[in-house]
Amino acid sequence: AQSVTQLDSQVPVFEEAPVELRCNYSSSVSVYLFWYVQYPNQGLQLLLKYLSGSTLVESINGFEAEFNKSQTSFHLRKPSVHISDTAEYFCAVRTVNDYKLSFGAGTTVTVRA
Amino acid sequence: DGGITQSPKYLFRKEGQNVTLSCEQNLNHDAMYWYRQDPGQGLRLIYYSQIVNDFQKGDIAEGYSVSREKKESFPLTVTSAQKNPTAFYLCASGGQANYGYTFGSGTRLTVV
Repeated sequence: AQSVTQLDSQVPVFEEAPVELRCNYSSSVSVYLFWYVQYPNQGLQLLLKYLSGSTLVESINGFEAEFNKSQTSFHLRKPSVHISDTAEYFCAVRTVNDYKLSFGAGTTVTVRA
Repeated sequence: DGGITQSPKYLFRKEGQNVTLSCEQNLNHDAMYWYRQDPGQGLRLIYYSQIVNDFQKGDIAEGYSVSREKKESFPLTVTSAQKNPTAFYLCASGGQANYGYTFGSGTRLTVV
């Protein structure tokens, strides 16, 4: 079975500073990887995903994540954050043959002015 | 627009009462899921269904029940046997393996 570890539970960051959220996974078979964002009292929204091909994937709001197979990681980065990026971020993995996603415990990002 | 709808957004119930949370999707997804979210505990899987008339227990199924009579609908009943039902409940649906899940906006249940 696959599993996901998010290495930071809380990440405080100043506005316009860069941020990195770390995610490691374990699986014995090929995987698909996802990052979701959750704003307060809302559901999760898909931020970006890696299925195949280029190991660097980008979202429309400036986030990017890089799939590193040798390190089994899928870290999320943004070069300059805004107050509106304050949210909880979840990393998730599924194998190519299974419907079910496994989620990490989440990372709360708090952006301060 | 296609999506997944949870209702109601907020729900208050007295202790000892059963309550049913609604989840409807028009995405033609085969699989549907129920998660519970508590502060600092991430997402915990309650039940999931990969096909109509079939469902499986997740990690914390005790005190909950579900049905899947239609592809579009996957209601969750929180029974009086659930010791600590106050939480944020999220429903999700999933299509082909590479599309991830689509989530509803959640139902916040408070039992008093």
